[in-house]
Amino acid sequence: QKEVEQDPGPLSVPEGAIVSLNCTYSNSAFQYFMWYRQYSRKGPELLMYTYSSGNKEDGRFTAQVDKSSKYISLFIRDSQPSDSATYLCAMGPSGYSTLTFGKGTMLLVSP
Amino acid sequence: GAVVSQHPSWVICKSGTSVKIECRSLDFQATTMFWYRQFPKQSLMLMATSNEGSKATYEQGVEKDKFLINHASLTLSTLTVTSAHPEDSSFYICSARDPAQTTLNSPLHFGNGTRLTVT
Repeated sequence: QKEVEQDPGPLSVPEGAIVSLNCTYSNSAFQYFMWYRQYSRKGPELLMYTYSSGNKEDGRFTAQVDKSSKYISLFIRDSQPSDSATYLCAMGPSGYSTLTFGKGTMLLVSP
Repeated sequence: GAVVSQHPSWVICKSGTSVKIECRSLDFQATTMFWYRQFPKQSLMLMATSNEGSKATYEQGVEKDKFLINHASLTLSTLTVTSAHPEDSSFYICSARDPAQTTLNSPLHFGNGTRLTVT
C-alpha cells in the first residue's frame, strides 16, 4: 500500500458544481496536511494547509481532515473554469518534515 | 507571500551534455531548499535537500554525482544534471520554506519548474 493514495481522475464537472477531492494515507504519524494546485507546466501553488484533524475554510475552499479514517478532503464550492488544474495533496509528520505527495487529481470545470 | 523563482522554465539538450537549473528565493533567505522531480501523471518525488554552505542530502536512489547541487548563498541553489540522458527528461521543481514563518504552519513554496528534454 502506498503511503498516500489519490485518484488521478480526470474529474469533469460543470461550472458552479461542488467538487470533492480526496486522499487517503497510511502513516498515522502524519499531522500536517496541505493541498496544492498545479496548472499545466507550472509549479504547485499552495492552496490550504491544516494541522491535525478538523476543518478549515478559505473562500470557496474547505479542507477537511479525518485522522481516524486517515482521509482528507478538499471541497471547492461554485467551481469555475479557472479551477481546472491538478490538485495535489501533501502531508508529513510536522511542518518542517519531508512531505509525501499524492499523484494529483486532474479537475476539469466546463463552462 | 514567499516567492521562489526558477530558471530556465524549459530546456532542451543533447544526450551527454550538462544542464544547470537555478532556484532563487526572491523575498526571503532560505538555508534549505528542496529539489523535486515529477514525471507525467506521477507525484512529486523529493530528490535532494540543498543546504546552504554544506553538502546536499540526497534521497535513496538519487545519484549525487549525476545531480550536482550547489547552495552557495542564502537565496540561490543550483541543480546540474550532468551527462544527461533521455531518461532524465522530466519536470524539475525546487521549493523552500520561509524561515519567517516560525509556527507549525510553514508550508513549502514552489518555483514554476523546469521542463528538461534530453534528445
